[in-house]
Amino acid sequence: RKEVEQDPGPFNVPEGATVAFNCTYSNSASQSFFWYRQDCRKEPKLLMSVYSSGNEDGRFTAQLNRASQYISLLIRDSKLSDSATYLCAVNSRGNNDMRFGAGTRLTVKP
Amino acid sequence: NAGVTQTPKFRILKIGQSMTLQCTQDMNHNYMYWYRQDPGMGLKLIYYSVGAGITDKGEVPNGYNVSRSTTEDFPLRLELAAPSQTSVYFCASMSGGYSQTQYFGPGTRLLVL
Repeated sequence: RKEVEQDPGPFNVPEGATVAFNCTYSNSASQSFFWYRQDCRKEPKLLMSVYSSGNEDGRFTAQLNRASQYISLLIRDSKLSDSATYLCAVNSRGNNDMRFGAGTRLTVKP
Repeated sequence: NAGVTQTPKFRILKIGQSMTLQCTQDMNHNYMYWYRQDPGMGLKLIYYSVGAGITDKGEVPNGYNVSRSTTEDFPLRLELAAPSQTSVYFCASMSGGYSQTQYFGPGTRLLVL
C-alpha cells in the first residue's frame, strides 16, 4: 500500500461548482499535512496546511480525519483558474521526510 | 530573493553519461530536498539534507549522489545515466522548525536516451 494515496481524477466540473478531494495516508504517526497546487509543467506550490481543527482560506477548506487517516480539500465556487493538479503531502518522520500523493487533476470548465 | 533556482532547465543525456543538477537557495534554509516526478505521478524523495555537511537517503536514492558543502547549494549527481532516470527533478528547501512549507525550484527536465 502506498504511503499517501489520492484519486487521480480527472475531475471535470463547471464553473461555480463545489468539488472535494480526499487523500489517505497509511502511517498513523503522521504529524503534518499539506495541500500543494501544481500547474502544468510547473513546480508545486503550497496551497494550505491542514490543521487538526480544520481550516479555511477563502473558497478553500481543508480538513483532517485522524481516526480514518485522511485529509480533504473542498473548493467552493470553482473558478477556471482553479484548474490544476492538487497534491497532498504528509510528513511522517518529523521535518525530514515529506511524502507526496500522485495528485488529483482538476479541470474547471466554462 | 530569487528563492530556489535550478540549472539546467532541460538536458538530454546519453546512457552512461554523467551530470550534475544544480540547486541553490538564498533563503538561508537548513533543509533541502531532491525529488523526481515521473509523468502522472507524485513526487518521490531522492535525497535530503538537514544542514551543511549532512545528507540522507530518501525513497529512491539508487543511481544518485548528493553533497551539501554550503547552506545555499545542494547539487544532485547522476553518475551513469539510465533511461529509468528520465524524469523531472525538483529541488526544494524549507526553513524547518515551526514552518514546514517547502519551496520548490522550477525543475530540471532530464531525458536519457
